[in-house]
This record gives sequence, structure tokens and C-alpha cells, in this order.
Amino acid sequence: AQKITQTQPGMFVQEKEAVTLDCTYDTSDQSYGLFWYKQPSSGEMIFLIYQGSYDEQNATEGRYSLNFQKARKSANLVISASQLGDSAMYFCAMREGPGGGADGLTFGKGTHLIIQP
Amino acid sequence: DTGVSQDPRHKITKRGQNVTFRCDPISEHNRLYWYRQTLGQGPEFLTYFQNEAQLEKSRLLSDRFSAERPKGSFSTLEIQRTEQGDSAMYLCASSLFSGTGTQETQYFGPGTRLLVL
Repeated sequence: AQKITQTQPGMFVQEKEAVTLDCTYDTSDQSYGLFWYKQPSSGEMIFLIYQGSYDEQNATEGRYSLNFQKARKSANLVISASQLGDSAMYFCAMREGPGGGADGLTFGKGTHLIIQP
Repeated sequence: DTGVSQDPRHKITKRGQNVTFRCDPISEHNRLYWYRQTLGQGPEFLTYFQNEAQLEKSRLLSDRFSAERPKGSFSTLEIQRTEQGDSAMYLCASSLFSGTGTQETQYFGPGTRLLVL
């Protein structure tokens, strides 16, 4: 079974609109971390936002926020006021276990977001 | 503030040749990770180091793959007897691990694109 599922292979969004990118995860660990990365066409993975499994508040970083619904095992990324420069691949990733790192990050297949003017 | 760097950025080789990639992490980071990303997929974890110790290597794709971090600073990933299926982007990431239960964010380099002819 997929540990990270991103159901939207591609999305077209009008500039300045808000966009939600879906991510569901599967783990039996109580302690885990969820990450979102942006990958422009240049290839570099850019860290956007982090949510810990014990964090009670949804994470926010500037225009990025994470809609964390633990019972549903979902961690959707919300980008407010989208900009042309937001066009990129977006990956959801998970680190399992309290120690972290043992298996690296597990990534989803990504969502290709295209912002239209 | 220097990020993660990787060298070379692009490598074209013939099947059967050996290739070596280098990764220089963010200077104060103690963990270093290697991932492989094939077209249309998210990155796939290969191995990681904490300082000079390789703590996980069972996910290396075959015995043709090996990695070192001899002095706990830069790391190399070697692929021996390359095959066409090895063509991919090889990503390196580093992080500062300061104990269990803490956020450990991995910061990625620009990657090395390998093409095996």
C-alpha cells in the first residue's frame, strides 16, 4: 500500500486564487512528521512546511498552510493568493518514528501545479 | 549561507562505466541523505549517514551502489557497472538531527542528472 497518496496528478489554477493540494498518508506510528516540498523545473527540492503528528495547531509559513486532519490521515497544503512562480511539482513526504531518519523520507508521486495568468 | 551542493550537475556515461557523485552538505548539519528520483516519481530514499557512520544502507538498489562519508563532511555515491535503468536524478539532502521527537528538516541539493547510454 502507498504510504503517501497524492490524488491530483495535475492542477490548473487561476493566478491569485487559493489552491489546495491533497495528501493522505498511512502509518501505524504515533510519532511522525509530514513535509511539503516544491520542485521547480530546475529540479531542486525546496522545503515549504512541516507538521508534526503531536502538533495541535496547523502549521503556517507565509502563504503556505497545512490543513492537518489526523483522524483522516490527511495533510493538505493550502497556498493562498497563488502566483505565477508557484507553478511547479509539489511533493508530500512523511518521516516515521520518533527517532526519524531510519528510512529517510517517503514521498508521494507529486502534483503538477500550473498557475495561469 | 551556503546550501547543499552537488557535483556534477549532469553526467552522461556509457553502460558498464563507473560513476561517482559528490555532495557537500550544509556545514553544521550532521546527517546526510541520498535519494534517487526517476521521471514522474517522487524521490526514493537510498541511504543516510550521521556524521561518518552509515546508519542505513539496506535500501541501496543493488550491490553496485555504494556511498561514503569518510570524515563526516562531504559524501560520495558511486554506481559501478552502470545500466540504462540507472538513468535518474540523484538527490542529496542534509539535516541537523538534535534528538528524537524534534523536527528534522532535510534540505536538498540541486541534484545530479545521470544519463546512461
